[in-house]
Amino acid sequence: AQSVAQPEDQVNVAEGNPLTVKCTYSVSGNPYLFWYVQYPNRGLQFLLKYITGDNLVKGSYGFEAEFNKSQTSFHLKKPSALVSDSALYFCAVRDLYNFNKFYFGSGTKLNVKP
Amino acid sequence: NAGVTQTPKFQVLKTGQSMTLQCAQDMNHNSMYWYRQDPGMGLRLIYYSASEGTTDKGEVPNGYNVSRLNKREFSLRLESAAPSQTSVYFCAQQEGNGYTFGSGTRLTVV
Repeated sequence: AQSVAQPEDQVNVAEGNPLTVKCTYSVSGNPYLFWYVQYPNRGLQFLLKYITGDNLVKGSYGFEAEFNKSQTSFHLKKPSALVSDSALYFCAVRDLYNFNKFYFGSGTKLNVKP
Repeated sequence: NAGVTQTPKFQVLKTGQSMTLQCAQDMNHNSMYWYRQDPGMGLRLIYYSASEGTTDKGEVPNGYNVSRLNKREFSLRLESAAPSQTSVYFCAQQEGNGYTFGSGTRLTVV
């Protein structure tokens, strides 16, 4: 079975500091990994994806994620957090055998304080 | 969330009532999805439709039915609502390797 795990329910960071939101995956083959962000009362928005190639993936709003095969991780990062980055972040993996199925993590609430 | 429109945005039902959540996409994509979002559980797939006229079960299909009458619309029906179906429901369509989500329907069953 394929799955992702987000070990932190909440991450608190001060504005201007670097942020990391953690995600680990469990996939039997090469994973297709995604990050989405959800602002209050909105649907999820695509941030970035890893399919193949460079392990460091750059996405929207200055976010990036690093794919680490040995640690089975895909952590989301940003060098300098903004208050406006405060939101709910979801990691997801696409099913290897059915591209119509995605498996989402439980979400991490990011709080960026001024 | 341009491209995927959901109605209604909010709904309160009594146990046993029925209702249909509507979803429409204007991006001419084949695949559409219904997810529910519950605290601490992320998003779980209820049903999906890979193309017009086809539907398949996801992780949590019990208590729901869907209909994909045309390429644009994908509806989710609760025939007899239960309190366990209190949730936020998201419709999505797949483009390339990712999703575009609607803004959600917050459903409360009392």
